[in-house]
Amino acid sequence: GQQVMQIPQYQHVQEGEDFTTYCNSSTTLSNIQWYKQRPGGHPVFLIQLVKSGEVKKQKRLTFQFGEAKKNSSLHITATQTTDVGTYFCAVPNSNSGYALNFGKGTSLLVTP
Amino acid sequence: EAGVAQSPRYKIIEKRQSVAFWCNPISGHATLYWYQQILGQGPKLLIQFQNNGVVDDSQLPKDRFSAERLKGVDSTLKIQPAKLEDSAVYLCASSLDSGSNTGELFFGEGSRLTVL
Repeated sequence: GQQVMQIPQYQHVQEGEDFTTYCNSSTTLSNIQWYKQRPGGHPVFLIQLVKSGEVKKQKRLTFQFGEAKKNSSLHITATQTTDVGTYFCAVPNSNSGYALNFGKGTSLLVTP
Repeated sequence: EAGVAQSPRYKIIEKRQSVAFWCNPISGHATLYWYQQILGQGPKLLIQFQNNGVVDDSQLPKDRFSAERLKGVDSTLKIQPAKLEDSAVYLCASSLDSGSNTGELFFGEGSRLTVL
């Protein structure tokens, strides 16, 4: 199935700093979803991007889908301690059933 | 709206023993997924059901894992016999849509398995 690479694997920032995680695919994606998993919790849906070059904002979070639909990014402005967790991108497996394949995630630690 | 229910939340067994996990998806969600999440990794799909039919079980270790979704509602995932490397959180998820328009996945709290 389709695989995605996420970088960085870990990020440690001071509260108030910005944070970005990237998701890259070798093949063109039909869409991409982003999830957040708090420590000890389960993945929670954040957003889905479908269109080439799409940009969506949720308060301090900005999501982008590349023009070629092969990469995506999640940017958090002025991080807060509540942003702590692991951020996953997920893409549909077009080979079978379109179930989501998840990246390895970027773990964000925010210190006050 | 009730979320995805899973049980048990925690299970500790010895290797070669068997274990079963149960999942009840959100009402009306036709598609149900079982994912395995090993510590520090992303969720890995084990099996996808649409109603009571299997859509994708290509990554399910069929020599020891089995899953069913009778009547197209709740589902069980069984491991027999368990190995040490099966220690993980087993996440059940459901979605309203399927096919190329798969929408948001709603995950349960997960069942954490420790194999000693």
